[in-house]
Amino acid sequence: GESVGLHLPTLSVQEGDNSIINCAYSNSASDYFIWYKQESGKGPQFIIDIRSNMDKRQGQRVTVLLNKTVKHLSLQIAATQPGDSAVYFCAESGGGTSYGKLTFGQGTILTVHP
Amino acid sequence: DAGVIQSPRHEVTEMGQEVTLRCKPISGHNSLFWYRQTMMRGLELLIYFNNNVPIDDSGMPEDRFSAKMPNASFSTLKIQPSEPRDSAVYFCASSPAAGGYGYTFGSGTRLTVV
Repeated sequence: GESVGLHLPTLSVQEGDNSIINCAYSNSASDYFIWYKQESGKGPQFIIDIRSNMDKRQGQRVTVLLNKTVKHLSLQIAATQPGDSAVYFCAESGGGTSYGKLTFGQGTILTVHP
Repeated sequence: DAGVIQSPRHEVTEMGQEVTLRCKPISGHNSLFWYRQTMMRGLELLIYFNNNVPIDDSGMPEDRFSAKMPNASFSTLKIQPSEPRDSAVYFCASSPAAGGYGYTFGSGTRLTVV
């Protein structure tokens, strides 16, 4: 029979376009957020992080935006390149008893067409 | 810095056999995490250690799973007996301290139980 699995959101863009990947988190006590990139056959790789006392942070070609009011996180990639094709995960580190461990979102598949 | 080192990269075993996955965290990192990744459930935290002590093993699926960290530079995840539904990619990650900062993943062990 047909297997049931996660249906990851997908985003397909042309090379050179800007990409925006979104993530909703659930724990209002989370105080640290990270975006990871995972390429096929590899482990998740750190892209950029943000603490809860900030609402925006920029890196090289990437920007993370945090909206604590609606518990929403986004990753913007400027001038997307074919090498950016991967699965992107957001992760949150909560306070209290969950301090120290990351909880991951389901991921978004980004495909960049040359 | 060699990063987080996992072995083996691939493991194929028969149902009922014992499987041991190994992880060497980054030197100086105090926290170590074992994750499992499947298409059905995404990235799931199984257990994490802080200063070699298990802090949260609530993600360990069954008594067939056990994890140890005998010293700061080595951890094992054991499955005994293994079952086909244990087939997944198992990742180890380490971080310098609690809170999720500096979280680095290994390349994973792809386990197939037939």
